[in-house]
Amino acid sequence: QVQLQESGPGLVKPSETLSLTCNVSGGSISTSFWSWIRQSPGRRLEYIGYFYYGGGTDYNLSLKSRVTMSVDTTKQQFFLKLTSVTAADTAVYYCARATWFGELFFDSWGKGTLVTVSS
Amino acid sequence: EVVLTQSPATLSLSPGEKATLSCRASQSVSNYLGWYQVKPGQGPRLLIYDTSKRATGIPARFSGSGSGTDFTLTISSLEPEDFAVYYCQQRSIWPLFGGGTKIEIK
Repeated sequence: QVQLQESGPGLVKPSETLSLTCNVSGGSISTSFWSWIRQSPGRRLEYIGYFYYGGGTDYNLSLKSRVTMSVDTTKQQFFLKLTSVTAADTAVYYCARATWFGELFFDSWGKGTLVTVSS
Repeated sequence: EVVLTQSPATLSLSPGEKATLSCRASQSVSNYLGWYQVKPGQGPRLLIYDTSKRATGIPARFSGSGSGTDFTLTISSLEPEDFAVYYCQQRSIWPLFGGGTKIEIK
């Protein structure tokens, strides 16, 4: 059973870059779609995007200009970078495996990591 | 943009009772919908995908139904571990989530 674990700084200053890592175990990072999803306080879950090792990516258009996702297959890790952050980017960030059933759903999740944007 | 509206926001029930959760889409974009369970300090857990298919390891007391714009998650008999927040999810241009329904102990 695949397991995911997020890590990264819990505090980021406004205008700086948020960088998170997701460690994947129990499954190959080269054979699935991998995603980032966040939840700001009092708001619903928000899809950030996914990538596929083969090179395909899909980003939420509202964040696309600031988002980069990448992978290190040797370490079974994938990454999120979100630039020019503001207080609105304060959220619990989850990494998840995305699977295409009849549609795209997220069948394995990390526990999430809280990132606060504040000076 | 499609909006998923879940109702009720909170459901107060006792163990053993039946729970019926609703998810309504502002427009019909897919006949496929998913449901997730979230407990404090844990990541979401996929319960139902493709509207009515149970994910791996999900007990039979969880069932999903619906089509078009109206979807339902039913928990036939609540167990103590089922008291949590539930989210629906569908994909329009990108995946979207509902606002959640919290099942609390009455």
